[in-house]
Amino acid sequence: AQTVTQSQPEMSVQEAETVTLSCTYDTSESNYYLFWYKQPPSRQMILVIRQEAYKQQNATENRFSVNFQKAAKSFSLKISDSQLGDTAMYFCAFIQTSGAGSYQLTFGKGTKLSVIP
Amino acid sequence: GAVVSQHPSRVICKSGTSVKIECRSLDFQATTMFWYRQFPKKSLMLMATSNEGSKATYEQGVEKDKFLINHASLTLSTLTVTSAHPEDSSFYICSAGLAGSSYNEQFFGPGTRLTVL
Repeated sequence: AQTVTQSQPEMSVQEAETVTLSCTYDTSESNYYLFWYKQPPSRQMILVIRQEAYKQQNATENRFSVNFQKAAKSFSLKISDSQLGDTAMYFCAFIQTSGAGSYQLTFGKGTKLSVIP
Repeated sequence: GAVVSQHPSRVICKSGTSVKIECRSLDFQATTMFWYRQFPKKSLMLMATSNEGSKATYEQGVEKDKFLINHASLTLSTLTVTSAHPEDSSFYICSAGLAGSSYNEQFFGPGTRLTVL
């Protein structure tokens, strides 16, 4: 079974600074996708960024980028120029597209990020 | 973008009563819908996967008779918490999978906070 591990329960960053959230995963499948979701205090889950496992190039979305190390099964999220609105819980998630449990999201335990003015 | 609604957003009920939560995909068809439960400051836990027109698949440890799921149409799934007890109090989130996407991309509803007195 696949697992997703986020080793940082809480982090804080000064406004305008850069922060990196860590995530590792474990799977024996070769076809999968990785995601970072943001859950602000409203508790609405928001997709931040997505990475296809077959793509070597790291995904970027404006101030958000990932460092995808497939061999190490690592998928970290970098937030540049942090803003107060980035304060939220961040969940790393995994979905496989073949095998048992395919098309089901597996979430990490989350990292609570606080952006300090 | 794809929008998923949930109703009600919050509900308070007495112990022993049943509560129904609706999940609707507003502008797309969802052959698969997912129900999650989230405890305070915790991650999302998948409860069940429902496919339109067929019985839901429940995760291990989730009581089928307590959490009744119906997915009668391509845009509506319901979760009924039967004979609710205080331990059922939680935040329930649904998601709808976009038919035809390469990984059954999930769009999340805003969640329902259930409080059982």
